Amino acid sequence: GAVVSQHPSRVICKSGTSVKIECRSLDFQATTMFWYRQFPKQSLMLMATSNEGSKATYEQGVEKDKFLINHASLTLSTLTVTSAHPEDSSFYICSARGKSSYNSPLHFGNGTRLTVT
Amino acid sequence: DAKTTQPNSMESNEEEPVHLPCNHSTISGTDYIHWYRQLPSQGPEYVIHGLTSNVNNRMASLAIAEDRKSSTLILHRATLRDAAVYYCILRPYNTDKLIFGTGTRLQVFP
Repeated sequence: GAVVSQHPSRVICKSGTSVKIECRSLDFQATTMFWYRQFPKQSLMLMATSNEGSKATYEQGVEKDKFLINHASLTLSTLTVTSAHPEDSSFYICSARGKSSYNSPLHFGNGTRLTVT
Repeated sequence: DAKTTQPNSMESNEEEPVHLPCNHSTISGTDYIHWYRQLPSQGPEYVIHGLTSNVNNRMASLAIAEDRKSSTLILHRATLRDAAVYYCILRPYNTDKLIFGTGTRLQVFP
């Protein structure tokens, strides 16, 4: 079945540095991918919609200059957390739809746990 | 976005059926009912979805009320591996954007 892969699965970085997270669709093309953030014991919160070849669409309250999204190909979207701070420590998850028809299931990556020290 | 309401937690014993309820009284005619589950430290996993009729697949069954204002996810025989947070989500027919609620944390006891 369709698979979405995220890398890295875990990352620890120092405050003030930037971290890039990759989301790949392994056996299908994804014109749209979604980025979520999840804090401990909480639900997933949608951060942004990543569109291949165009600018990402950010949800209200999400800083676009802090969370840079690039979707340069049909199989890869990247999320860069710039100037990371401890409050950015979270579980970041991407998703994509495998088939062209609407209402096909969304496939999720296994997440990236970011710890900012 | 139409909202769903689920119990915060439920418990089950292994090999017993589990009925996970979801209320969605503000559902619109073009909203599909989707269920995903999230195991600890993993991304969500698709379980099942439907529009009006009940649905079955290898993982679960979905029973949808006639007025579509509620639905129930049925796990026919719970296993320890079914312990997860189950999310009931309304997905408009023309969008891939999923808005997650708080979900139901299912505990399964041996």
